[in-house]
Amino acid sequence: EAGVAQSPRYKIIEKRQSVAFWCNPISGHATLYWYQQILGQGPKLLIQFQNNGVVDDSQLPKDRFSAERLKGVDSTLKIQPAKLEDSAVYLCASSLNSLASGEQYFGPGTRLTVT
Amino acid sequence: AQSVTQPDIHITVSEGASLELRCNYSYGATPYLFWYVQSPGQGLQLLLKYFSGDTLVQGIKGFEAEFKRSQSSFNLRKPSVHWSDAAEYFCAVAPTSGNTGKLIFGQGTTLQVKP
Repeated sequence: EAGVAQSPRYKIIEKRQSVAFWCNPISGHATLYWYQQILGQGPKLLIQFQNNGVVDDSQLPKDRFSAERLKGVDSTLKIQPAKLEDSAVYLCASSLNSLASGEQYFGPGTRLTVT
Repeated sequence: AQSVTQPDIHITVSEGASLELRCNYSYGATPYLFWYVQSPGQGLQLLLKYFSGDTLVQGIKGFEAEFKRSQSSFNLRKPSVHWSDAAEYFCAVAPTSGNTGKLIFGQGTTLQVKP
């Protein structure tokens, strides 16, 4: 079974530029999560999708971050414009359902450096 | 507010020695509890989880964890550490209210294994 795929694996941009990350979840997984992991910290949930609908985006900085999952499969996370404090690893995870008991499977992440 | 605390940022143990990683949580009710491991350049992998029932849970790679309600703790243990266990370990909780699958992570404990 293929795991969660993410691209690119690394990205370096200058502040005020825009960037987009892509995630392809495990086939059949209805729920998709984007987490931000700043160096030295645990991952923090940015947004959760159930199929193509948003379940929780309470911690997404909506003035600069956006995410979509148009067909309920793969997803993109965009930052525009980027700030220095956005430097982090962006992790995508998926699970069969959105229940708290559902196991989440994580991708390898995209490491973003903003200079 | 819900939170997870991992008091030890960095732990070093000798190969073959026993290991205990501490985790405390703050939440009104008993949440679902998880331990994840993250190797360099890899996504997070689930080691074990606790939902209810027996307070001692077994996981993969020889790990186990014990839930202690009175102490709001969920410590991870392994009787004999292998060099391949060197990684970062995250404790996480999923609040049962709302049941959305949102994970709240601790800041992580880095495990170094001495030969």
